[in-house]
Amino acid sequence: DAGVIQSPRHEVTEMGQEVTLRCKPISGHNSLFWYRQTMMRGLELLIYFNNNVPIDDSGMPEDRFSAKMPNASFSTLKIQPSEPRDSAVYFCASRSTGDYEQFFGPGTRLTVL
Amino acid sequence: GQQLNQSPQSMFIQEGEDVSMNCTSSSIFNTWLWYKQDPGEGPVLLIALYKAGELTSNGRLTAQFGITRKDSFLNISASIPSDVGIYFCAGRGPGGAGNMLTFGGGTRLMVKP
Repeated sequence: DAGVIQSPRHEVTEMGQEVTLRCKPISGHNSLFWYRQTMMRGLELLIYFNNNVPIDDSGMPEDRFSAKMPNASFSTLKIQPSEPRDSAVYFCASRSTGDYEQFFGPGTRLTVL
Repeated sequence: GQQLNQSPQSMFIQEGEDVSMNCTSSSIFNTWLWYKQDPGEGPVLLIALYKAGELTSNGRLTAQFGITRKDSFLNISASIPSDVGIYFCAGRGPGGAGNMLTFGGGTRLMVKP
C-alpha cells in the first residue's frame, strides 16, 4: 500500500496568495482528517470527513480556510488569502471504518512570507 | 474539551538507557495510541491499547492503558540512536467524540551515542 499521499511536500508562498494542499487517503479508508502542527500548539485537528462528508470543522481557524473531499480518493485544504501565521506543517490522515488508528501522510510544510 | 498532558516534554539520554513517558487526562478514554514522528515525516503508529489495564509490547517498546482509563505510559528499553524523534500519545474518547483523537503535546527524545 502506498500510504497516505500528500502534495506538495513543501510550499513557500507570499502573504495574500492562495494555497492548496492535496491529500490522497489510503484506498478503502472512509475517514479523512486534516491536522496542523506548530511548535507552539502541537497537533491540532482542523476538520474531518466521513464518507466524503465534512463531520466536524470546528478546528478550522477562520473563513480563510476551507476543505473539500469531492470523492473517496482526494481531498484539498485551501487557504485564501494566506498569512504568515499560517506557516506550519499540515498533515492528512485516514482511517478505515471500525478502526481507531489513523494513518498519517508525510505532511506539507507551508511557509508564508 | 478533552486534554492530554504528556510528560516529559523532552528527554536527552545516553544510548542504552531506558526511557519512560506518560500521558494523563482529566477525562476517560476508550483507546490509547502511541505514535512516533521522525524529523520531516508524519507520525507513525507504534502501539494501540484498547482495554483498561492492557499491557502491550512492540519490540523494545511497552505501553500500558491505565486502570483508571485516564492515563497511559510508554517505555523504551535499551535506547538506540534511531529512537530519536517525537513521541505522541493520543486518546479516543467515548460517545460522539469517538471518531476523533486527542493528541498530547509530545515528548522529544534525544539519544546520545
